[in-house]
Amino acid sequence: GESVGLHLPTLSVQEGDNSIINCAYSNSASDYFIWYKQESGKGPQFIIDIRSNMDKRQGQRVTVLLNKTVKHLSLQIAATQPGDSAVYFCAETRTNAGGTSYGKLTFGQGTILTVHP
Amino acid sequence: GAVVSQHPSWVICKSGTSVKIECRSLDFQATTMFWYRQFPKQSLMLMATSNEGSKATYEQGVEKDKFLINHASLTLSTLTVTSAHPEDSSFYICSATDWMETQYFGPGTRLLVL
Repeated sequence: GESVGLHLPTLSVQEGDNSIINCAYSNSASDYFIWYKQESGKGPQFIIDIRSNMDKRQGQRVTVLLNKTVKHLSLQIAATQPGDSAVYFCAETRTNAGGTSYGKLTFGQGTILTVHP
Repeated sequence: GAVVSQHPSWVICKSGTSVKIECRSLDFQATTMFWYRQFPKQSLMLMATSNEGSKATYEQGVEKDKFLINHASLTLSTLTVTSAHPEDSSFYICSATDWMETQYFGPGTRLLVL
């Protein structure tokens, strides 16, 4: 089946703390995963991605961890800032044979992150 | 980076009228565009995949006669909500893929049907 979001869990943190946002995906054939940030009234914004041949990838203040065994994805945000407050979605997809392109994305349920100053 | 725009950003219409939403890739050619719908406090749900010059592929449960999609050029796709009703009120988001097939999302269009 596909991941379908009906309710958004919430995470509240203090400014400067580290945040960990979790996502469970459903399709074991998915091999490419993306984290998006969506601010109120706006479209999703790409944060970081990871392919299934990796279990960790780091960006600027963000780290994505992938556990294929339990089909779990997490996004870690270091030194969280008030500007990080948003809804965070994971998305999964399957790439083509060459791994150079992918089709439609399936979005996870999302998590509302609130950062208190 | 690649920019995708949507117009209008918000629209209010009366029940029974049709509303057209445009999605444009501003600085790249998009062979494929996707249309999503998002209800408050929910995730994005894919409605259809639109390929330039061909008919759109709709997801299960999405009425193709109600949500008309036209992808006439490599930079423009339109979604027309026909005979809109209050239950069609939602946030509609498009995305466009470049030659690397990376998806870039538009800012969304908020539709309110009275």
